[in-house]
Amino acid sequence: DAGVIQSPRHEVTEMGQEVTLRCKPISGHDYLFWYRQTMMRGLELLIYFNNNVPIDDSGMPEDRFSAKMPNASFSTLKIQPSEPRDSAVYFCASSQAPSTVDEQFFGPGTRLTVL
Amino acid sequence: DAKTTQPPSMDCAEGRAANLPCNHSTISGNEYVYWYRQIHSQGPQYIIHGLKNNETNEMASLIITEDRKSSTLILPHATLRDTAVYYCIVRAPNTGNQFYFGTGTSLTVIP
Repeated sequence: DAGVIQSPRHEVTEMGQEVTLRCKPISGHDYLFWYRQTMMRGLELLIYFNNNVPIDDSGMPEDRFSAKMPNASFSTLKIQPSEPRDSAVYFCASSQAPSTVDEQFFGPGTRLTVL
Repeated sequence: DAKTTQPPSMDCAEGRAANLPCNHSTISGNEYVYWYRQIHSQGPQYIIHGLKNNETNEMASLIITEDRKSSTLILPHATLRDTAVYYCIVRAPNTGNQFYFGTGTSLTVIP
């Protein structure tokens, strides 16, 4: 398996533009997570899905952020409109059904810069 | 999930054992201790986990105190590639698979 795939790897946009980040989880994994990492706040969980259904979106900063998972192999995180404070590295991770191992596999991340 | 406390940074000489401590004094009986690490510019990577017994795998060893209020991650022979931020996380399994990463310990392996 190729692991968790994220695209694009880097995104530079201007304030007010719409940004869409994409993630392909590992095949067979039932859980998908979106994280955001900044120097100030560290690694934060934004939202996670179980079997394509959003379970907890309490970490989503505000209504400008939305996430979807239309099928088991694809998820998007959208920011509209984007703001400079959204600049961060966004990670997607996936894992199998709950177990004591609970290992999450992270993608390489998307580095977003909003000018 | 229980709160964890880790030193912000540590140094270790290459080839020596790196011992990374973690305090989790409010851990509950059903909570496991997990360790992840994040090498610069990469996503976090699972290392090891345990409940109350010491654990060892090809990457590291995990020593959990008898009262489970603290633990130590041991990298037996640190290499330069082990330079990373190490996160200690405690959580109960089957609780929604959420991980809350703190600030971790930034380990620098010195040649």
